[in-house]
Amino acid sequence: DAKTTQPPSMDCAEGRAANLPCNHSTISGNEYVYWYRQIHSQGPQYIIHGLKNNETNEMASLIITEDRKSSTLILPHATLRDTAVYYCIVRVKNQGGKLIFGQGTELSVKP
Amino acid sequence: GAVVSQHPSRVICKSGTSVKIECRSLDFQATTMFWYRQFPKQSLMLMATSNEGSKATYEQGVEKDKFLINHASLTLSTLTVTSAHPEDSSFYICSAREGTGAGEKLFFGSGTQLSVL
Repeated sequence: DAKTTQPPSMDCAEGRAANLPCNHSTISGNEYVYWYRQIHSQGPQYIIHGLKNNETNEMASLIITEDRKSSTLILPHATLRDTAVYYCIVRVKNQGGKLIFGQGTELSVKP
Repeated sequence: GAVVSQHPSRVICKSGTSVKIECRSLDFQATTMFWYRQFPKQSLMLMATSNEGSKATYEQGVEKDKFLINHASLTLSTLTVTSAHPEDSSFYICSAREGTGAGEKLFFGSGTQLSVL
């Protein structure tokens, strides 16, 4: 399984862009990068996923480096409600889609 | 997005009793569901993969006789914590897979906080 490395915590000012990095240097060619977030005492919420191209949806943008060894999740205009733990996960190859969670980044959006 | 309903959201039980947690996919069929547990200040730990119509696959170190999983239909999986003890107190979360291949996503329930007295 490819492992991911994320900073344990980050702060961001409300209204500014939050850029959350993730390293996955051992990712395999057909493994996707998924991002989820978990607000305290709730189930994780799907944000976005990608293989090698950059992706954007209504919640966030995902930038994947050309060598696919790292990625960045961008929340363009962070709000207080974006305070959560953000998990960068590499989908386990040939394992039916199960997601193995690392420690994630605790993002605090401050007024 | 797809909705996964988990019930109950919170349960308190006495040591030695069994507790059943339900996970339902409300607007899609899920041939595969997953069960996680989470202790305070820790990440989610995968317990088992639940496949409709077949036996669940447990992760290493998870007791299959302790945590009974049934996936009898395409929209329902249940986790039963048998003979619960205080150390089983945890936040249990289910997820259901929608789609396949590149479009595959996993959606999560809202979790069940189990407290064993």
